Amino acid sequence: DTAVSQTPKYLVTQMGNDKSIKCEQNLGHDTMYWYKQDSKKFLKIMFSYNNKELIINETVPNRFSPKSPDKAHLNLHINSLELGDSAVYFCASSQVGRGVIETQYFGPGTRLLVL
Amino acid sequence: GEDVEQSLFLSVREGDSSVINCTYTDSSSTYLYWYKQEPGAGLQLLTYIFSNMDMKQDQRLTVLLNKKDKHLSLRIADTQTGDSAIYFCAESTGGYQKVTFGTGTKLQVIP
Repeated sequence: DTAVSQTPKYLVTQMGNDKSIKCEQNLGHDTMYWYKQDSKKFLKIMFSYNNKELIINETVPNRFSPKSPDKAHLNLHINSLELGDSAVYFCASSQVGRGVIETQYFGPGTRLLVL
Repeated sequence: GEDVEQSLFLSVREGDSSVINCTYTDSSSTYLYWYKQEPGAGLQLLTYIFSNMDMKQDQRLTVLLNKKDKHLSLRIADTQTGDSAIYFCAESTGGYQKVTFGTGTKLQVIP
């Protein structure tokens, strides 16, 4: 069973379109994340949700809107896609708390290419 | 703000030891991690160390932490071709604080 899954794995779309990426974790974790990894492999956090509440919101254009319908899901909707949005988007989850090693479990990534 | 830096590339011969270095700036870091990313995959936690420790050994992996210099290293003994990947160090202050990842070091193992 896949611990953190993302769909789709690949996404090729035209500039200006709106697209969504879905993420699900079956680990029972309370915290989920979205990261963006650019072509140079730099990994930057975008958002973090704990128990469906937004905890971290880095400097991300408001074209990006995360949605967490429940603890096990964190989806990412992107409006008006731009060329610079092309990257690999990783979802991750962890259990946060005192005395807990906050191992983040990563999904396989969604490779987004904007043409 | 936090900053975590690594050298971008390291090449070693199979059977040699690899040492991957990392420097960070946040003196309040509580947890420090090493993650491995194989081609086309997500990141996988290799090992971690608490900031009150100097060293941690886990089979072929040895983590050294110099808190005074804010320097973290990962030594891989008897490096194998399967160790070829990108290695990320990361730090966090724990709780709901974000984990900040380094720039990644691509390790190439030459047979």
